[in-house]
Amino acid sequence: ETGVTQTPRHLVMGMTNKKSLKCEQHLGHNAMYWYKQSAKKPLELMFVYNFKEQTENNSVPSRFSPECPNSSHLFLHLHTLQPEDSALYLCASSLLGTSGGAGSDTQYFGPGTRLTVL
Amino acid sequence: QKEVEQNSGPLSVPEGAIASLNCTYSDRGSQSFFWYRQYSGKSPELIMSIYSNGDKEDGRFTAQLNKASQYVSLLIRDSQPSDSATYLCAVTGGTGRRALTFGSGTRLQVQP
Repeated sequence: ETGVTQTPRHLVMGMTNKKSLKCEQHLGHNAMYWYKQSAKKPLELMFVYNFKEQTENNSVPSRFSPECPNSSHLFLHLHTLQPEDSALYLCASSLLGTSGGAGSDTQYFGPGTRLTVL
Repeated sequence: QKEVEQNSGPLSVPEGAIASLNCTYSDRGSQSFFWYRQYSGKSPELIMSIYSNGDKEDGRFTAQLNKASQYVSLLIRDSQPSDSATYLCAVTGGTGRRALTFGSGTRLQVQP
């Protein structure tokens, strides 16, 4: 257990459905991340939230909509997804120091949500 | 050129041997370097972090960093079948970008 939880662990949805992925961290961290991992491809960063503010959107299609109501919770709202969006979606968190120097970037991952879009 | 490059493997070593995993990165200003282990169907698990040139040892694992050559490696001593997994190298950007850039991973197989 890393202190980062994700629900649901598995999700099957149709292309017209709307669903949400939830991530919660119990580590007192102030930054949270969404990553996508497709088969045989490297982990791809999707979104970064720093102190609840989105600081990075890595050209993610608008059918993925993140929400970060506080530093402990992160959501990924899904709507009108495509079959190619089927992947493992990973949440991570880290504690960023004000100096941002080396040592402040260690990220801990949740168990992931295995998403299948039919 | 990929930002973080790893040989995809599989790297096959006999039980008890030393496994050597390598990674190169393109951003010369990168400050933080990580090795994660990922078992099939699971999420990445942090093994080692390293921030300065040289070696860092933790149990059977040793991370080596050479910023001049933009190279980071992971040595696993006394390899065990339970070490069989994909090892991901991750690097943070040098311009203050905190998010990790991952390599595609090296699959390690430890033969009993």
